[in-house]
Amino acid sequence: DVKVTQSSRYLVKRTGEKVFLECVQDMDHENMFWYRQDPGLGLRLIYFSYDVKMKEKGDIPEGYSVSREKKERFSLILESASTNQTSMYLCASSLSMTYEAFFGQGTRLTVV
Amino acid sequence: SQQGEEDPQALSIQEGENATMNCSYKTSINNLQWYRQNSGRGLVHLILIRSNEREKHSGRLRVTLDTSKKSSSLLITASRAADTASYFCATDMEYGNKLVFGAGTILRVKS
Repeated sequence: DVKVTQSSRYLVKRTGEKVFLECVQDMDHENMFWYRQDPGLGLRLIYFSYDVKMKEKGDIPEGYSVSREKKERFSLILESASTNQTSMYLCASSLSMTYEAFFGQGTRLTVV
Repeated sequence: SQQGEEDPQALSIQEGENATMNCSYKTSINNLQWYRQNSGRGLVHLILIRSNEREKHSGRLRVTLDTSKKSSSLLITASRAADTASYFCATDMEYGNKLVFGAGTILRVKS
């Protein structure tokens, strides 16, 4: 069974903290993505990676960075968490753009 | 900015009825995908249609693609209460590796 696993289902962090969201896939996929989902706005792409150590900005990269040191792991970093980063974060992976994406279960992050 | 825009934003129907959702996009694409999300969970892939295809079926799902109008529709026939979920279309840009989603349609099927 294909699997994308996000490290936490729920997370509460304080303003100004550095936050790491981890995502691991076991399908040897080239592409990995980080989205945030907010009511009425759908999924917005933060960053994506098409190869190890390669990354590209999505539509809303400000306040975030990413790391992909190994093919199976794609980390999202909030350098200094702010309350407007309270959201549902979804990680996904795909073999290529012509194939389906597989999603993790999501991390609901609350910044207080 | 979002590539795909779903319409309607919300849809409420009775069990057994058909549900139709539409998606419009802005730039040329290689393929278009539809996903379902049950409340508070990750997304699940439903169907992928390539830019050179006009229609595709999968069980009770029927997807059409009109590249001249840059639009797609998802039809769910004989809906069930279990179809209650949010539905999203996603497109890849013709050039690039981005997979971009719309805001989604919330479907509620009443039993």
